[in-house]
Amino acid sequence: GENVEQHPSTLSVQEGDSAVIKCTYSDSASNYFPWYKQELGKGPQLIIDIRSNVGEKKDQRIAVTLNKTAKHFSLHITETQPEDSAVYFCAAKQNNNDMRFGAGTRLTVKP
Amino acid sequence: EAQVTQNPRYLITVTGKKLTVTCSQNMNHEYMSWYRQDPGLGLRQIYYSMNVEVTDKGDVPEGYKVSRKEKRNFPLILESPSPNQTSLYFCASSLSSATRGYTFGSGTRLTVV
Repeated sequence: GENVEQHPSTLSVQEGDSAVIKCTYSDSASNYFPWYKQELGKGPQLIIDIRSNVGEKKDQRIAVTLNKTAKHFSLHITETQPEDSAVYFCAAKQNNNDMRFGAGTRLTVKP
Repeated sequence: EAQVTQNPRYLITVTGKKLTVTCSQNMNHEYMSWYRQDPGLGLRQIYYSMNVEVTDKGDVPEGYKVSRKEKRNFPLILESPSPNQTSLYFCASSLSSATRGYTFGSGTRLTVV
């Protein structure tokens, strides 16, 4: 089955800097790659996603890139702010199969 | 407001005492799922349900039961909880198993002593 690996497990950046989180997946049949943000005491919330027919997607300060050949995808956050501090999860999914999540990255943005 | 509601938010119990964590969604979603979240392991699926009366095991089903008698509810049952089931639990739902976006509940932190 699908296996998703996520790096790094913790990331600390200075406010205003960029943050990059990387994930790899094992099953080439996966075709949907969402990213979730989990704030303290809350459930994960979808922040951006990308489908396998797209190489890059951007939403304000957040962007996701996908390299299908290498089977990896990344989350890029620019101009980080303290409110970006959270745990971020990547995931991979095939059509009717279930979501497989990475282990999570704890991002800390220092003011 | 469209949401997934879990109860309770926090629960401390003793080994062997049966408990149920409830999950309810108001979005008429067909697909519902339970995950547990443990440090360094991310979210691991316990059980899922494609629709009413249809449930199946996820990656870590041992020690858990579920039922799906109504579309909106998907309770998680621990018949005889053990300390290794101490974890943070999340319920999630989506329109169907083919739908991409999942909506998560706020979580239930369970401690078994």
